[in-house]
Amino acid sequence: DIQMTQSPSTLSASVGDRVNIACRASQSIGRWLAWYQQKPGKAPKLLIYTASNLESGVPSRFSGSGSGTEFTLTISSLQPDDIATYYCQQYNSYSQWTFGQGTKVEIK
Amino acid sequence: QVTLTESGPALVKPRQTLTLTCTLSGFSLSTYGMCVSWVRQPPGKALEWLALVDWRNYKYYSTSLKTRLTISRDASKDQMVLTMTNMDPVDTATYYCALGTSCLGFDYWGQGALVTVSS
Repeated sequence: DIQMTQSPSTLSASVGDRVNIACRASQSIGRWLAWYQQKPGKAPKLLIYTASNLESGVPSRFSGSGSGTEFTLTISSLQPDDIATYYCQQYNSYSQWTFGQGTKVEIK
Repeated sequence: QVTLTESGPALVKPRQTLTLTCTLSGFSLSTYGMCVSWVRQPPGKALEWLALVDWRNYKYYSTSLKTRLTISRDASKDQMVLTMTNMDPVDTATYYCALGTSCLGFDYWGQGALVTVSS
């Protein structure tokens, strides 16, 4: 099975900072990667699909990049509403959909 | 408007079988590319994908849990059902159903159902 590893596990940044979250796949997944945002007590929300496509209604400060085994979610200017845990998920292997372990974003 | 609503017992005993239902509205699972999945999240822990059924009624299961899981759909009732056998306290989690309109990611999610496994 494909394993997904995110880094860092926790990230502390100031409002307005540029924030990068990394996600690494244990084998190549092409661009078959999604990113989700989850706030406490809420269901996850899809932000990015196919590595870099922004889901409708998601602010443009969110962007995704990468292919193969290395991917990045970028928040260009961190806002207080962005405090959440972020997960990557692969779906290259059509019989398994695997999540990363999550990255918690906090305000410094 | 697309909605997904999970229902089932809040408490199950160890070794019992859990049955969860996801009631779907606002879309047809028969639409090309659609898939509905179950995802769980233990308290304070990460998301874990469990199972998925797609528009062709093909079914897929987590490798680590496939011996305990069964996913089925009842198109006449717009419902999807997940059964998990031999429940253990480590299975305590919020269980979500989620819709992928292209199976490339899950666009819509239910509110989640917290299931506690305890004697």
